[in-house]
Amino acid sequence: DTGVSQDPRHKITKRGQNVTFRCDPISEHNRLYWYRQTLGQGPEFLTYFQNEAQLEKSRLLSDRFSAERPKGSFSTLEIQRTEQGDSAMYLCASSLGDSGYEQYFGPGTRLTVT
Amino acid sequence: GEDVEQSLFLSVREGDSSVINCTYTDSSSTYLYWYKQEPGAGLQLLTYIFSNMDMKQDQRLTVLLNKKDKHLSLRIADTQTGDSAIYFCAEKRTNRDDKIIFGKGTRLHILP
Repeated sequence: DTGVSQDPRHKITKRGQNVTFRCDPISEHNRLYWYRQTLGQGPEFLTYFQNEAQLEKSRLLSDRFSAERPKGSFSTLEIQRTEQGDSAMYLCASSLGDSGYEQYFGPGTRLTVT
Repeated sequence: GEDVEQSLFLSVREGDSSVINCTYTDSSSTYLYWYKQEPGAGLQLLTYIFSNMDMKQDQRLTVLLNKKDKHLSLRIADTQTGDSAIYFCAEKRTNRDDKIIFGKGTRLHILP
């Protein structure tokens, strides 16, 4: 399968714990995006990378959130000291080229904070 | 998603055409998209249209863009049970701004 993959697909954690999600983009896609989707809403942009450089961060991305793409391939999204409001689907997308207009999404990681 | 608006629910009989409508607010939008999301799944890019076009057809899908009214529609011909999903309208505003802005989605329900 050459699509975007995300791991884990589901994560249940207790409030206050740290969690880390992984995204593997489509091979050779230089741009990688993170979005968050809450129930009944469309995805909202969090951040994106071009190769290993993080180029934009949404104000939704509080200090408890950090994303990395160390070698320009896979990316990780870490949430520290999780809160119940962090419960959502975290979606990763990737695209090829400089304009990023064709973004292909992974299946998402559903986070539940209890 | 407030800048992209779409109705939340549409019910259509199997075999009929479905038309999902969307309005957006930013006239600088360069690309407009339709994504499909099935239960528990990620988003599938169905089709997109560049802002200098007014129509795009791809098999059963027809996208119409009215730039003057900032209105986008998706027509699905011969709707099948497998078309049951949430359809998101989305826009990308400029070539330099990489994020895509999504609406809240229209849930398409297929009646037998």
